[in-house]
Amino acid sequence: GAVVSQHPSRVICKSGTSVKIECRSLDFQATTMFWYRQFPKQSLMLMATSNEGSKATYEQGVEKDKFLINHASLTLSTLTVTSAHPEDSSFYICSARDNLRGGYGYTFGSGTRLTVV
Amino acid sequence: DAKTTQPNSMESNEEEPVHLPCNHSTISGTDYIHWYRQLPSQGPEYVIHGLTSNVNNRMASLAIAEDRKSSTLILHRATLRDAAVYYCILRDKVATNFGNEKLTFGTGTRLTIIP
Repeated sequence: GAVVSQHPSRVICKSGTSVKIECRSLDFQATTMFWYRQFPKQSLMLMATSNEGSKATYEQGVEKDKFLINHASLTLSTLTVTSAHPEDSSFYICSARDNLRGGYGYTFGSGTRLTVV
Repeated sequence: DAKTTQPNSMESNEEEPVHLPCNHSTISGTDYIHWYRQLPSQGPEYVIHGLTSNVNNRMASLAIAEDRKSSTLILHRATLRDAAVYYCILRDKVATNFGNEKLTFGTGTRLTIIP
């Protein structure tokens, strides 16, 4: 089945620094990937839709200059949290769907736990 | 995406069947009913989906009411590994086929399995 790899699985960074999270579709091509954020005991909140070769579409309230998304190839999307602060500490999850092989399920990465100290 | 309503939490004994309900009274004729689950500290995983008829796969069964305003995810024999948050999500059929429509997650049902 379709596999989405997310890296790193956990990262600790200092306040004010930037962190890059990678999301790769391992055995399929994904023109669209999605980035979610999840705070403890809460549901997943969609942050943005990443489109290969074009600008990402951000959900209302998500700062596009703070959460930079790049989708330079059909198998890789990256999320960069710039000038991270403790309130950005969260569980970040990406997802994608194999459009060519069909099926109706979206595949999710295993998530990245970001802790900003 | 149309709204769904699920109980916040449920408990079940190990090796017993589990019925997880979902209400979706505003479902449209082209909405698929999807179920995902999220194990602790992991991304969600697809469980099952259906449109009108009941569905079975190796993970679970999906029972859909005749009027489609509710559905029930059935785990036939719960194990400790089934402890997770289960999300019921409606997806438009046309958008699903196109393949790039976003998924909107509700609060889900936290299932606890008692040994």
